[in-house]
Amino acid sequence: GAVVSQHPSRVICKSGTSVKIECRSLDFQATTMFWYRQFPKQSLMLMATSNEGSKATYEQGVEKDKFLINHASLTLSTLTVTSAHPEDSSFYICSARDDSNSPLHFGNGTRLTVT
Amino acid sequence: GDSVTQMEGPVTLSEEAFLTINCTYTATGYPSLFWYVQYPGEGLQLLLKATKADDKGSNKGFEATYRKETTSFHLEKGSVQVSDSAVYFCALRINTGFQKLVFGTGTRLLVSP
Repeated sequence: GAVVSQHPSRVICKSGTSVKIECRSLDFQATTMFWYRQFPKQSLMLMATSNEGSKATYEQGVEKDKFLINHASLTLSTLTVTSAHPEDSSFYICSARDDSNSPLHFGNGTRLTVT
Repeated sequence: GDSVTQMEGPVTLSEEAFLTINCTYTATGYPSLFWYVQYPGEGLQLLLKATKADDKGSNKGFEATYRKETTSFHLEKGSVQVSDSAVYFCALRINTGFQKLVFGTGTRLLVSP
């Protein structure tokens, strides 16, 4: 079946540095990708939606200059957390689908810890 | 705005017990409703879905019925197994625009032998 690979699964970085998270669709073309953030004991909060070749659409309250999303190909989207701070520590999850009638496939998530 | 509310966990059951995880939603329009499951160390997987009122989604012994009158989509299973231990997420999708998913907080299920 369709698989979405998210990497890395865990990352620890120092405050002020940037971290890049990759999300790849392995056997389908990911026309649309979604990036979510999950706080402990809270729901997955949608951060942004990206379509291949277009600028990402960010949800209200999400800083686009801090969370840079690139969806340059049909199989790869990246989320870069710039100038990370401890409050950015969270679980980030990507999901992808081919078209609007296709099911949504999720990556295994990335645990980011900023020290 | 659109939202999903589901019962807090963890829900702790013995094997073969009956399971209910409550889920209610608030949405404009006519959403599709989903249950996703996340096993330890894995990504979210679609468990079942329903796209219109009175539809029943089912999979692996789990069932949920889309109740428009009560805006609910409760998850049930008649006899749980240890292997059902996971986190279960209720979600809705508004079928316009990007068709984004809105998730509930997740409910952890722990099944003991």
